[in-house]
Amino acid sequence: GQQVMQIPQYQHVQEGEDFTTYCNSSTTLSNIQWYKQRPGGHPVFLIQLVKSGEVKKQKRLTFQFGEAKKNSSLHITATQTTDVGTYFCAGPGGGGSNYKLTFGKGTLLTVNP
Amino acid sequence: NAGVTQTPKFRVLKTGQSMTLLCAQDMNHEYMYWYRQDPGMGLRLIHYSVGEGTTAKGEVPDGYNVSRLKKQNFLLGLESAAPSQTSVYFCASSSQGASEQYFGPGTRLTVT
Repeated sequence: GQQVMQIPQYQHVQEGEDFTTYCNSSTTLSNIQWYKQRPGGHPVFLIQLVKSGEVKKQKRLTFQFGEAKKNSSLHITATQTTDVGTYFCAGPGGGGSNYKLTFGKGTLLTVNP
Repeated sequence: NAGVTQTPKFRVLKTGQSMTLLCAQDMNHEYMYWYRQDPGMGLRLIHYSVGEGTTAKGEVPDGYNVSRLKKQNFLLGLESAAPSQTSVYFCASSSQGASEQYFGPGTRLTVT
């Protein structure tokens, strides 16, 4: 079945350093989505990428979708304490259904002020 | 709009007890999902629904049942709770299959 893998599992940075998390799917994806979950909170949708090679930016966050549509990355420039949380990628499909998402296990980002 | 709401927020059960978690959404979404989240395991899909009156199994359905009698509500039932079901449960909804999902605040369940 479809698998979505994320690395690293944990990342601790000093405030101001950059951060990147990587997402790899075992199958080609029609789109990839990114979510953020603050400690004690619920996942919140950040963005969806659809096109091969697509790059989107949200302020200090840069999202990329690979040319083969099997991998993606999230890069945060100059981290701030407000960036703390777990970042999940998710792709459609898995188990023969396109009605659901398969989530990666997430990357927990902690930021030392 | 309240978005996606879940009740209760916290619950402690003894092994063998039963309970129902309620999820409600006011966005007129067709698709609804139940996930459980355990440390280091990410979000695992328990059951989902593609419309009123429909349900389907996800990745970890054993020990759970669901019902979608009304479009806005999705109920998750535990008939005989086990300690392995100690987890945080999230409900989510979306307007289209596998599109952006909106999550509820979660229910923290402890089974002793």
